[in-house]
Amino acid sequence: GAVVSQHPSRVICKSGTSVKIECRSLDFQATTMFWYRQFPKKSLMLMATSNEGSKATYEQGVEKDKFLINHASLTLSTLTVTSAHPEDSSFYICSARALAGVPWDTQYFGPGTRLTVL
Amino acid sequence: AQTVTQSQPEMSVQEAETVTLSCTYDTSESDYYLFWYKQPPSRQMILVIRQEAYKQQNATENRFSVNFQKAAKSFSLKISDSQLGDAAMYFCAYRSEQTSGSRLTFGEGTQLTVNP
Repeated sequence: GAVVSQHPSRVICKSGTSVKIECRSLDFQATTMFWYRQFPKKSLMLMATSNEGSKATYEQGVEKDKFLINHASLTLSTLTVTSAHPEDSSFYICSARALAGVPWDTQYFGPGTRLTVL
Repeated sequence: AQTVTQSQPEMSVQEAETVTLSCTYDTSESDYYLFWYKQPPSRQMILVIRQEAYKQQNATENRFSVNFQKAAKSFSLKISDSQLGDAAMYFCAYRSEQTSGSRLTFGEGTQLTVNP
């Protein structure tokens, strides 16, 4: 149990295009999903917290117009990187906090998405 | 704001030996959770062990155990009978139950190498 998927696992895009990353909790419902960014050999940096049906809460310094987050259901959250530029290249990881069933007060992580912007 | 410190950027251990990874945290709260996550080369974050602050008993999961010292704000991870598959980056994380929703605060990580 407690599986979180991310799609795509890798994406390469041209500068100026938008990229959407999906995060799904496969066997549990998630009240809250989180989006992180991770640079090589560094810790995870929280970008935003999203709750189903409400607007995401962004961390200080994260541009909400560039990183659009939608949490349309209890099993799906999406991160759209709009007008991507090379500096947005990174490893993006989502996590989900379970509503019930699996140990409910634990975050489970997706496998991550490597974004490369040319 | 809470902070989590992992003072060992890198550690190594011989296969079958025991290693302890350190973690300290700073908080003024009394109700919180602590976690150890493992990130192998695949970069998939895997939950290793969790500890509720209100529990005095140290958590244990097979070869993994913690030494939770609440007064000292210390939360170390002991890996017994180390295996090659234990090689990974290990992150200590804190979660408040009083503020900031359910967000995790991570330490900077400890890269563990297991030598055959």
